[in-house]
Amino acid sequence: QVQLVQSGAEVKKPGASVKVSCKASGYTFNNFFVHWVRQAPGQGLEWMGWINPNSGGTNYAQKFQGRVTMARDTSISTAYMELSGLRSDDTAVYYCAREMEQWLVLHYWGQGTLVTVSS
Amino acid sequence: DIQMTQSPSSVSASVGDRVTITCRASQALTSWLAWYQQKPGKAPRLLIYAVSRLESGVPSRFSGSGSGTDFTLTISNLQPEDFATYYCQQANSFPYTFGQGTKLEMK
Repeated sequence: QVQLVQSGAEVKKPGASVKVSCKASGYTFNNFFVHWVRQAPGQGLEWMGWINPNSGGTNYAQKFQGRVTMARDTSISTAYMELSGLRSDDTAVYYCAREMEQWLVLHYWGQGTLVTVSS
Repeated sequence: DIQMTQSPSSVSASVGDRVTITCRASQALTSWLAWYQQKPGKAPRLLIYAVSRLESGVPSRFSGSGSGTDFTLTISNLQPEDFATYYCQQANSFPYTFGQGTKLEMK
């Protein structure tokens, strides 16, 4: 069965960077885009961007351009999301999600990674 | 960016009720409209994609409809496990955007 397992919670200071991993299993990693979505405490969902694991190509939401880097390591079926210049309003749960075949929807989700930014 | 506006923001209902949640897009969408359910402390779960296609394993009491800028999620015969927050999402253009969510609470 398809699984996306994310790395554990992080606490970071303002200005630092955080790197969250998302390990995929149960399917051919290269064949499906991986998206990143975040959710601030008590708030809604915010799409950050996607990575094409096959080519390494990325597409970031304008809001995060210059601060976010999405990468992958196909040898271990893992996607990464790194966010730099952290601010207190970056405190959120970060989710990775896999697209559905042929449809632009987020089909399978990781369990989420809480990133807390605090001095 | 396409703005997605859900209404209501919250709704109270009882087991067995029928509930309709509306999602309005700031510009016309094609078929890239999905609905997700989220329970506290959990990741969202895909319910409906392409406006009205039911994800595998989702009960048939969930249905989606709409076109253009106006879309609806209907839950018939509410069950206790349906009390959650629901989000619409468009993938018509980047950035993908979500509605602000509708919290379905037990009356």
